[in-house]
This record gives sequence, structure tokens and C-alpha cells, in this order.
Amino acid sequence: DGGITQSPKYLFRKEGQNVTLSCEQNLNHDAMYWYRQDPGQGLRLIYYSQIVNDFQKGDIAEGYSVSREKKESFPLTVTSAQKNPTAFYLCASSVKTSGGANEQFFGPGTRLTVL
Amino acid sequence: AQSVTQLGSHVSVSEGALVLLRCNYSSSVPPYLFWYVQYPNQGLQLLLKYTTGATLVKGINGFEAEFKKSETSFHLTKPSAHMSDAAEYFCAVRTTGNTPLVFGKGTRLSVIA
Repeated sequence: DGGITQSPKYLFRKEGQNVTLSCEQNLNHDAMYWYRQDPGQGLRLIYYSQIVNDFQKGDIAEGYSVSREKKESFPLTVTSAQKNPTAFYLCASSVKTSGGANEQFFGPGTRLTVL
Repeated sequence: AQSVTQLGSHVSVSEGALVLLRCNYSSSVPPYLFWYVQYPNQGLQLLLKYTTGATLVKGINGFEAEFKKSETSFHLTKPSAHMSDAAEYFCAVRTTGNTPLVFGKGTRLSVIA
């Protein structure tokens, strides 16, 4: 089955610790995205990557870092500099076309709780 | 810059009643528009999208949406609500290329028996 895998589903960390969220896709998509979801705030873009070894900051990149060494993988690290990291994190991917009609496919999400 | 406004953070309907979820967008060029649904603690699933052509778009689970350029709207409707429709719904917009979708803040739909 093709799709996007995020692991773990639930993650607990102590304040001040860095933590890495995994995102893997086997859809052969070029573009991948990370969003943060908080109640009542919708989805806010953290980082995105349109090609291997390249990525761009989104609206709320401070306190986060990413890498894109492989087409299939786009891990997100939540650093200790992120002031309020407790949230639901969603990874997405899409094909790369010249137009804008291609939808984004989403993974099941990781709920991060910082204690 | 693109933006999306979803009117009403929470909508409640009776089972069997019409569902209407409102979405207005702001874009300086013709947009591509999307509706997604999210069930609790899950990812988002595409309901339908408008690209070009027919302005009335039919999606999964009996939902449809109409693109109205003059009103800059893309409201989501379903003639008869079912209990299983209870979820959060997100409207999103993109204008070109592989730029990320821009999402509204979402509308939570409750269905009352």
C-alpha cells in the first residue's frame, strides 16, 4: 500500500530535550511538508521541501529543523528553542507539476507532548 | 498573498439536515481550491478539489462544493447529514506550482441525532 508513515503516533519528552519526528512516503512524491496543528488555529506550515537536499522555511520555522537526504524521508527535529512544542504534527507530500492542481496527501500525524 | 477564511469555527446540524460549511478565499490569480476532512487524531483526507472547468465539484461521501469567482467563495455542502460526518473540515487554496497549500482555521461539524 502506498502512503505516508509517521512515527511514533504519540511522543512524550521532557522540556529542554530535542526530539525527531519521522515521516516516510512511498508515493514517489517530490515535495514534502510539515505542518503544526493547534486547536482553533488550523494548520500552520513549518518547513517544506520540493526536492532532495533542499528545503524552505514556512511560517513558523523557529525552533525546528529538517533534513531531506532521501526522496522518501523528511524528518522534523523539534529543538529546545521551540517555546511551546506540544502540538499535533502532520507530514504531507505531493507530486511536482508545473500547475497547482495537485493535492497534498497527509500522514496520520504525531502528537507530541512536552512534560 | 493567498488566504482562506472559514466562517464559523463550529457548526451543529441535525441528522438528515443540510450541511453548509463556508469558505472564502483571497487570491490575486485564479486559485485551486480544496476541501479536506479530519477525524479525531488522524491525518487529513481530501474530500474534493476545484482546478478548472465545471464550477460545481462533487467529492466523496456525498459532499459537493461550488466555486463562485464573483463571491470568492467555495462553500461545502451535503444535502443530508449523517452521524459519520462529524469531523473537522478544512478549506485550502493554492495558486501556482508546488507551493504549499494555505489552510483555513477549520470548522468542526457536529451532527445531532
